[in-house]
Amino acid sequence: ETGVTQSPTHLIKTRGQQVTLRCSSQSGHNTVSWYQQALGQGPQFIFQYYREEENGRGNFPPRFSGLQFPNYSSELNVNALELDDSALYLCASSNARGGHGELFFGEGSRLTVL
Amino acid sequence: GENVEQHPSTLSVQEGDSAVIKCTYSDSASNYFPWYKQELGKGPQLIIDIRSNVGEKKDQRIAVTLNKTAKHFSLHITETQPEDSAVYFCAASESGANNLFFGTGTRLTVIP
Repeated sequence: ETGVTQSPTHLIKTRGQQVTLRCSSQSGHNTVSWYQQALGQGPQFIFQYYREEENGRGNFPPRFSGLQFPNYSSELNVNALELDDSALYLCASSNARGGHGELFFGEGSRLTVL
Repeated sequence: GENVEQHPSTLSVQEGDSAVIKCTYSDSASNYFPWYKQELGKGPQLIIDIRSNVGEKKDQRIAVTLNKTAKHFSLHITETQPEDSAVYFCAASESGANNLFFGTGTRLTVIP
């Protein structure tokens, strides 16, 4: 069984740039959630995708957007990067549309914005 | 929205001792409470969860208790081992919701 994989693992961008982060969900999972984890904090929900459609969004501005593909992999796009976007971005997959299924997290993509 | 508070932020125990981490939540509609363990450089991993229709759940050395009236829940680890050293997060979610609200984490260090 293949776990959740994320790429890239680390990246550095400058303020105003755009970034795309990628996630391959665990085999058999059709739901992908993205979380932002600032240093020393708990993960914060960005949004969830279920069968290629956004299925709920947290308190993040529209410059955070996403996609889910037919194979259930997903992308997180962030435009007009700000310094506060520096964080670990976690992707989690599950086979439950709601929040009560076990989330399987990847190891994250650490984004640094200079 | 939901607000989850977690204490303590750091906890050091001697190997073999017990560790207790406590969380409170604000939204009475929350009814699912998982606990995640995050090791250095890795994503969080579910270690145990509890739903609001039970007050306690145990899995080997790990137990979780829930007091819905007081809106708090706790993680208990007995006979701690060095490999238990990690950051632990509590979380809460409402039935039908698609997101978890996480606490701020507890860094547990087990001293050999």
